[in-house]
Amino acid sequence: EVQLVEAGGGVVQPGGSLRLSCVASGLTFRNYWMSWVRQAPGKGLEWVANIKQDGSERYYMEGRFTISRDNAKNSLYLQMSSLRAEDTAVYHCATSRYSGKYGAFDIWGQGTIVTVSS
Amino acid sequence: QSALAQPASVSGSLGQSITISCTGTSSDVGGYNYVSWYQHHPGNAPRLMIYDVSNRPSGVSNRFSGSKSGNTASLTISGLQAEDEADYYCSSYTMTSTVVFGGGTKLTVL
Repeated sequence: EVQLVEAGGGVVQPGGSLRLSCVASGLTFRNYWMSWVRQAPGKGLEWVANIKQDGSERYYMEGRFTISRDNAKNSLYLQMSSLRAEDTAVYHCATSRYSGKYGAFDIWGQGTIVTVSS
Repeated sequence: QSALAQPASVSGSLGQSITISCTGTSSDVGGYNYVSWYQHHPGNAPRLMIYDVSNRPSGVSNRFSGSKSGNTASLTISGLQAEDEADYYCSSYTMTSTVVFGGGTKLTVL
């Protein structure tokens, strides 16, 4: 069974940092573009970042986050810094068996909750 | 990058057809055939319904179809069923090599 499992969410103060992780199983992780997508409470889906199979290309919605991966550990990461209240959201990792760089996310994790609050 | 424009809500009766629009610009929807549509029941992970404008992943009912004209993409659901009631999101690849989602449309089946 293909599975993405996120971890690392929690409550953090404004201005703080947090590192999310996502472990993949049931697929050959090194073959896939990987993305982070978030959903704030009561809001829609928002793409955050993605990374190429070998890590040589990375694209971001904004500059406070850093995406990385460790193919040996089947793991994806999102380092978030200078966090703001508006970063409060459920963060999903996602990928595609169709066209991972271009969206078409057919594999999603259940998400990890990040709350930025003092 | 601004979110793609979707109607906040649409409704239709059982058995009817509805269409949800997704409007962007020539820098995203109009410039690439990389529009996807997702069905999202709150509490669950989003489900891919259409990719590359009009392709259906395996397992998705042929009641769901996608199209695009200019800067506007559309998702049509025919033969509405109760289980189709959900939030629907479009997304598109963009000229800055990012992905942008629409604001989402809540579908109510009457």
